[in-house]
Amino acid sequence: DAGITQSPRYKITETGRQVTLMCHQTWSHSYMFWYRQDLGHGLRLIYYSAAADITDKGEVPDGYVVSRSKTENFPLTLESATRSQTSVYFCASLLEPGLSAEQFFGPGTRLTVL
Amino acid sequence: GQNIDQPTEMTATEGAIVQINCTYQTSGFNGLFWYQQHAGEAPTFLSYNVLDGLEEKGRFSSFLSRSKGYSYLLLKELQMKDSASYLCAVVYNQGGKLIFGQGTELSVKP
Repeated sequence: DAGITQSPRYKITETGRQVTLMCHQTWSHSYMFWYRQDLGHGLRLIYYSAAADITDKGEVPDGYVVSRSKTENFPLTLESATRSQTSVYFCASLLEPGLSAEQFFGPGTRLTVL
Repeated sequence: GQNIDQPTEMTATEGAIVQINCTYQTSGFNGLFWYQQHAGEAPTFLSYNVLDGLEEKGRFSSFLSRSKGYSYLLLKELQMKDSASYLCAVVYNQGGKLIFGQGTELSVKP
């Protein structure tokens, strides 16, 4: 019972490179979310998805791209990484807002952009 | 915006009671969560309030007043392991999106 997993757990990259963070959940939850967490800002929503092939912007979407071709996967891509994108990234999933309100979080990916 | 305010940090003594407050904008409110997050780990669910009143779950209780845009998390019989960040998060409108406060860093001292 893997639940929700993220890979890699740690990543160091350079400014301008493309980076993809992976998120996989085994519960067949409809909703998935990407957050970043920075000191002084708490958790901020980057993108979310209500179902396969449906995605929408959150609070801080600039510089990020997402896709959701399969229900279980929700990759987050930084097309040209910047130092300001150094952060801890959390993926989360939710069954359905009306059925169960709790979001389950993955373990996080710590990304450093040099 | 939907400002969610909570104190940045609090300190309490082992065995004591601590109350962490959270205020939020009421327009579009659709539920409030409390999460606990230990350093270097993912947030874990503590409570969910959608109706007014107090929800008790062991040593932890959460209160909500929708008309006042106010919630608190009450931790009783504090233990050292309760040292963590406590995150208040609100669901606005439909769709399950959570807006988080900055979190309250709680330090429990012996």
